[in-house]
Amino acid sequence: SQTIHQWPATLVQPVGSPLSLECTVEGTSNPNLYWYRQAAGRGLQLLFYSVGIGQISSEVPQNLSASRPQDRQFILSSKKLLLSDSGFYLCAWSRSRGQGQAEAFFGQGTRLTVV
Amino acid sequence: AQSVTQLGSHVSVSEGALVLLRCNYSSSVPPYLFWYVQYPNQGLQLLLKYTTGATLVKGINGFEAEFKKSETSFHLTKPSAHMSDAAEYFCAVRRGDSNYQLIWGAGTKLIIKP
Repeated sequence: SQTIHQWPATLVQPVGSPLSLECTVEGTSNPNLYWYRQAAGRGLQLLFYSVGIGQISSEVPQNLSASRPQDRQFILSSKKLLLSDSGFYLCAWSRSRGQGQAEAFFGQGTRLTVV
Repeated sequence: AQSVTQLGSHVSVSEGALVLLRCNYSSSVPPYLFWYVQYPNQGLQLLLKYTTGATLVKGINGFEAEFKKSETSFHLTKPSAHMSDAAEYFCAVRRGDSNYQLIWGAGTKLIIKP
């Protein structure tokens, strides 16, 4: 069966510090991978998605970047965090086109607080 | 453009009462529709999905949803609310273009009164 791991669960970082959140998927190959953010009281905002190694699409211009160095690894980064980067970050995967019906499977999330 | 509208950011029901969470969508292609649940500080969990076939879909935890094409709706129901149902619920529709993403509603927080 497929599983998705996301860490850390919580993180408190000072303004201006770097960020690296990691997500890995097991039990599937060539998944689509996603990073979402939930700000307090707001819905899901898609930040990045990837359909393959090194292929990253950004939905919203911002202070963050994403990388996919391996097929089942997705990393969210920032060089210098802003207060506005605080939120709940979710990694998700779905089967690639032609392999399924597009439902997404989510990690447990990372609560990031920038202070 | 596709979109999802969830009516009511908060819905409050008494324990044992009917739960009805509303979702309307717009889609230029036959929709694939999803309901997810999120408990505090956790990821989203798939409750149920509609792809093709039977329009009444049953999911986990006693929830079900009915796809009504004429009303462009996919409302989520549960006959009898339980305290453990308190969570946030998200409706989503698959994007019709090539990248298989989901378009999300804003979410509805379900509050259960004892």
